[in-house]
Amino acid sequence: AQSVTQPDIHITVSEGASLELRCNYSYGATPYLFWYVQSPGQGLQLLLKYFSGDTLVQGIKGFEAEFKRSQSSFNLRKPSVHWSDAAEYFCAVGLGGSNYKLTFGKGTLLTVNP
Amino acid sequence: DAGVIQSPRHEVTEMGQEVTLRCKPISGHNSLFWYRQTMMRGLELLIYFNNNVPIDDSGMPEDRFSAKMPNASFSTLKIQPSEPRDSAVYFCASRANISGKVAEKLFFGSGTQLSVL
Repeated sequence: AQSVTQPDIHITVSEGASLELRCNYSYGATPYLFWYVQSPGQGLQLLLKYFSGDTLVQGIKGFEAEFKRSQSSFNLRKPSVHWSDAAEYFCAVGLGGSNYKLTFGKGTLLTVNP
Repeated sequence: DAGVIQSPRHEVTEMGQEVTLRCKPISGHNSLFWYRQTMMRGLELLIYFNNNVPIDDSGMPEDRFSAKMPNASFSTLKIQPSEPRDSAVYFCASRANISGKVAEKLFFGSGTQLSVL
């Protein structure tokens, strides 16, 4: 069964600092990969997704993620964090074809210090 | 576009009571998902509808949970009787199912925070 691991439960960074959130997946083939963000009291919003092609994908709000097949990773990055980026971030994987299911990681809570 | 609309935003009830959560998906979306979010288990898919038909309810915890989608614009998730361990945030999400593939974007509602005392 596919699984997603986000090793960091909580990360704190200073505003303006760079950010990297880790995500590892377990699946025999290359799944579809997603990053979602959840602000307090809100539902999840899609940041970016990877299906195929260029392994570096750009998303909204200045985020990017890099797919590394050899490491089964899809880490999320941002060069300079803003206070408004404080939220919980979820990595998700899905199978291709007609499968409908997304499996979510347990999330990484990001705190941004002024 | 009003997005996915869930009601109520918060529900506090006593153990043994019936709870009904409601969801209005985005117009034109024909796939609808109910998720449950807890600290311990993260986001869990409970049930998935396609064109108002339940496709997979294997994530529904037990018979106390039931979900319906009488039409394309409305779905309910019912818990009867409720128990304290049902306390969680319940999310509804919808997706355009143009190709039937998981690649399409999921749109989430703001969730219902359920507390069962």
